[in-house]
Amino acid sequence: GDSVTQMEGPVTLSEEAFLTINCTYTATGYPSLFWYVQYPGEGLQLLLKATKADDKGSNKGFEATYRKETTSFHLEKGSVQVSDSAVYFCALLNGNTGKLIFGQGTTLQVKP
Amino acid sequence: DTAVSQTPKYLVTQMGNDKSIKCEQNLGHDTMYWYKQDSKKFLKIMFSYNNKELIINETVPNRFSPKSPDKAHLNLHINSLELGDSAVYFCASSQGTSWEQYFGPGTRLTVT
Repeated sequence: GDSVTQMEGPVTLSEEAFLTINCTYTATGYPSLFWYVQYPGEGLQLLLKATKADDKGSNKGFEATYRKETTSFHLEKGSVQVSDSAVYFCALLNGNTGKLIFGQGTTLQVKP
Repeated sequence: DTAVSQTPKYLVTQMGNDKSIKCEQNLGHDTMYWYKQDSKKFLKIMFSYNNKELIINETVPNRFSPKSPDKAHLNLHINSLELGDSAVYFCASSQGTSWEQYFGPGTRLTVT
């Protein structure tokens, strides 16, 4: 079945460091891919999305490119801030079933 | 303007009780979902309704019963609560099953 695998956390970085959170997926067909962010004590917010191969999603300085050849959707940001500290979830959407399949989440802690 | 809202935000109850969680969305979406987030932050879909019809019903104990009185509302009723039901429950909505899902703030259920 469909699945998403994210790199293990927690990831601890200093402010202004470069961020990469790896995400790979297994799916039948052509899923859409998402990154969601969960700030402490809050719900999930959609961070960015890509609906087809080679699409690049971007928002708030974060970006991720849908790579069909490597079945990956890695999240990157050039310079993280303390306010980026949160849990980041990679997810794929099977458009036929409507099921959103999440990775296990990666906790990011940014220190000043 | 709250897009997806849930009540209550926190729910503490004893084993064996019956409780309900309510969800409302004002996005005009026709599809709504319930997800469960466990203590390790893993998110898994439980149910989905499209135009008030059940379309996803994962392997969930039949103590859990969703109800959708109209397209804007999806409630979750839980009978005979058990310790293992303690989790954060998220409601989400989308337009159709092929587009991004928007999440509510979550309901933290604690069963003692």
